[in-house]
Amino acid sequence: EAQVTQNPRYLITVTGKKLTVTCSQNMNHEYMSWYRQDPGLGLRQIYYSMNVEVTDKGDVPEGYKVSRKEKRNFPLILESPSPNQTSLYFCASSFASSYNEQFFGPGTRLTVL
Amino acid sequence: AQSVTQLGSHVSVSEGALVLLRCNYSSSVPPYLFWYVQYPNQGLQLLLKYTSAATLVKGINGFEAEFKKSETSFHLTKPSAHMSDAAEYFCAVSVRKGAQKLVFGQGTRLTINP
Repeated sequence: EAQVTQNPRYLITVTGKKLTVTCSQNMNHEYMSWYRQDPGLGLRQIYYSMNVEVTDKGDVPEGYKVSRKEKRNFPLILESPSPNQTSLYFCASSFASSYNEQFFGPGTRLTVL
Repeated sequence: AQSVTQLGSHVSVSEGALVLLRCNYSSSVPPYLFWYVQYPNQGLQLLLKYTSAATLVKGINGFEAEFKKSETSFHLTKPSAHMSDAAEYFCAVSVRKGAQKLVFGQGTRLTINP
């Protein structure tokens, strides 16, 4: 089954404790992206990757890191989480063209205390 | 810069009634436009997309949307609402040719009354 998976689905942590949210896709997509969803703001892009070893900042990259060592994986790293990073996070992937559908993972709900 | 505005953060309709969710976009170049739906505790799923072919686009679950360049709109409609349509709906515009960056609207939560 074609899908984007994220782990964990739910995470409660404390300020400053490094964490990683994993994202994996099995559709051989070149493009992968991370979004955060906050009430009243829709989804905002954090980072994206056009292919292996090619990453770039989105609209709200502060406090986040990413890497793309393999085509299928695109982990999101919070090295020192803060309460304002409490949010719902989505990973998405697609073939690399502006008109292609993005496929979304199920989301990771993160709470930083 | 491209942007999307969805009019109405909450819309409530009766089962069987017309559903109309409004979306206006701002883009300096011809846009690609998308509607996504998010059911509770799930990721986003594509409903339909406009990619400069027909201006009336049909999607899944009986939804359709019409691209109106003169009004910079891409409103989503369904003739008869079903209880299963209750969800949050996002309009999005794709920007930057050659790269798949989506700019989302704020979302509209649709409630269906029995």
